[in-house]
Amino acid sequence: EVQLVESGGGLVQPGGSLRLSCATSGFIFSDHYMDWVRQPPGKGLEWVARSRNRRNGYITAYAASVEGRFTISRDESKNSLYLQMNNLKTEDTAVYYCVRGYNSFNPWGQGTMVTVSP
Amino acid sequence: DIQMTQSPSSLSASVGDRVTITCRASQNINIYLGWFQQKPGKAPKSLIYDASNLQSGVPSKFSGGGSGTYFTLTISSLQTEDFATYYCLQYQDYPFTFGQGTKLEIK
Repeated sequence: EVQLVESGGGLVQPGGSLRLSCATSGFIFSDHYMDWVRQPPGKGLEWVARSRNRRNGYITAYAASVEGRFTISRDESKNSLYLQMNNLKTEDTAVYYCVRGYNSFNPWGQGTMVTVSP
Repeated sequence: DIQMTQSPSSLSASVGDRVTITCRASQNINIYLGWFQQKPGKAPKSLIYDASNLQSGVPSKFSGGGSGTYFTLTISSLQTEDFATYYCLQYQDYPFTFGQGTKLEIK
């Protein structure tokens, strides 16, 4: 069974940093594109970042709202995806989901809550 | 950025009804569109990818159509478990963009 389990969320002050993790199992991690998607409380979904697969050189892409502050990365030995978030802003407050897939965006993890507040 | 406009933003329907949600892209996205269902407090679930391909395990009462700039999600014979919020997503170009969502409620 394919599983994605996020962790690392919490409360942080503006300007602070946080690293989210997504532990994966049930599939060959290096074969798949991976994304981070977020959802502010009571609002819609926003795509955040993508890491291509090994065959495509792990090339990354970011939403403009996080470019230069967030970094998506992988550890193939741990089958894990990460999102390093620096210089956090109040508008980064959201549930962060990791998602598998080149075009299928399937499945999604359960999400981890990040709250940025003074 | 490509703008995705979903309509309606909310919809009331009865059990057994057939409903259609639409998504318009601000430019050509070919077939690079997905549909997702989200229930309160839960992660989104993929229903359709590449505009019309049903995700494995998703009931055939869900169907997607369209290409270019106009797309539809149709749900036939609504059941209580189908009342949720639905989102479209374009993945033709970065940044990927979601529609604003359609909340499907019981009439």
